[in-house]
Amino acid sequence: NAGVTQTPKFQVLKTGQSMTLQCAQDMNHNSMYWYRQDPGMGLRLIYYSASEGTTDKGEVPNGYNVSRLNKREFSLRLESAAPSQTSVYFCASILGHFSGNTIYFGEGSWLTVV
Amino acid sequence: KNEVEQSPQNLTAQEGEFITINCSYSVGISALHWLQQHPGGGIVSLFMLSSGKKKHGRLIATINIQEKHSSLHITASHPRDSAVYICAPDSGGGADGLTFGKGTHLIIQP
Repeated sequence: NAGVTQTPKFQVLKTGQSMTLQCAQDMNHNSMYWYRQDPGMGLRLIYYSASEGTTDKGEVPNGYNVSRLNKREFSLRLESAAPSQTSVYFCASILGHFSGNTIYFGEGSWLTVV
Repeated sequence: KNEVEQSPQNLTAQEGEFITINCSYSVGISALHWLQQHPGGGIVSLFMLSSGKKKHGRLIATINIQEKHSSLHITASHPRDSAVYICAPDSGGGADGLTFGKGTHLIIQP
């Protein structure tokens, strides 16, 4: 099925551990995003990628790194997890920013750092 | 950065009622997305519109680009419409191109 595939769905980490959230889309989209969603805060952008090999910091990039090695995949890495990174993470993609283009989201990754 | 205001933040209504959710933003945009998120669930796109009105089933979205305002209407509301509705003004690519409202929590009681 076409769409955005995001893994893992649930993860519990200990403080200081590292992990990578994987995201892949099969719709040939150029723009990809990583967001975190916290109660009362809405969706906040962590990193954005306009195309393969390019990434830009968003509103809350500290503690995260990203990689866009090809057009399909955009991964998010937590090098040394902290309790403040407990959140729900969403990957998203869109073909372009003009009328008729839908934004697609992954199903979300629930991350708890203890 | 686009400042996005959604209202109301929370809304509880009875089944069958006509629902309106409003979204105002501060910076000119090329289009606006309306999104739906069920409790504990993923986020799905309902509409992307750049002018006028769009209708999908019982959902209607309108936008006034000059007034920087959009509305989402639900006719004949049903308990399955209970969800968070999020507006997202889209001013193009880049890290600041897409911004999100904090969402409207809608509960439809049978």
